[in-house]
Amino acid sequence: SQTIHQWPATLVQPVGSPLSLECTVEGTSNPNLYWYRQAAGRGLQLLFYSVGIGQISSEVPQNLSASRPQDRQFILSSKKLLLSDSGFYLCAWSLGSSGNTIYFGEGSWLTVV
Amino acid sequence: AQSVTQLDSQVPVFEEAPVELRCNYSSSVSVYLFWYVQYPNQGLQLLLKYLSGSTLVKGINGFEAEFNKSQTSFHLRKPSVHISDTAEYFCAVSDSDGGSQGNLIFGKGTKLSVKP
Repeated sequence: SQTIHQWPATLVQPVGSPLSLECTVEGTSNPNLYWYRQAAGRGLQLLFYSVGIGQISSEVPQNLSASRPQDRQFILSSKKLLLSDSGFYLCAWSLGSSGNTIYFGEGSWLTVV
Repeated sequence: AQSVTQLDSQVPVFEEAPVELRCNYSSSVSVYLFWYVQYPNQGLQLLLKYLSGSTLVKGINGFEAEFNKSQTSFHLRKPSVHISDTAEYFCAVSDSDGGSQGNLIFGKGTKLSVKP
């Protein structure tokens, strides 16, 4: 069966520090991979998605970047965090075709102080 | 472009009462519709989805939803809720022609609070 892991689960970082959140998927090949952010009262915002290694699409211009160095690995990064980057970050995967379920990881809480 | 509106940000109900969580969408193309549930400090879990066929869709935990194309709605219902149903519920839409790579557009969520 397929599983998705993301880490760390909780992170407290000072303003201006770098960020790296990692996500891996097991049990499937060539998945679509996603990073969502959930801020209080704003629902889920799609940040990045990837349909293959090295292929990244950005949905919202901001202080973050994403990379996919391997088929089942997706990394969310920032060189300098802002207070507004605080939130709950969710990695997810799907088999890519419309109508397929998107499966979510357990999430990572980021607090920028 | 698609959008999803969840009309209620919070819904308090008593245990064993029925509940309806409302969702409306807008899209210029045919869509697929989803409901997800999020328990505190966890990721999202699929409750049910509508792709085609019968407009009444049954999901896990006794939930069901009805797709109404004329009203562009996909309301979620449960005839009798439990304390354990306390969670946040998200409605989501994706287009059905493959143009969005299956990406989901989510509503802002409805917090269901079940009281004893």
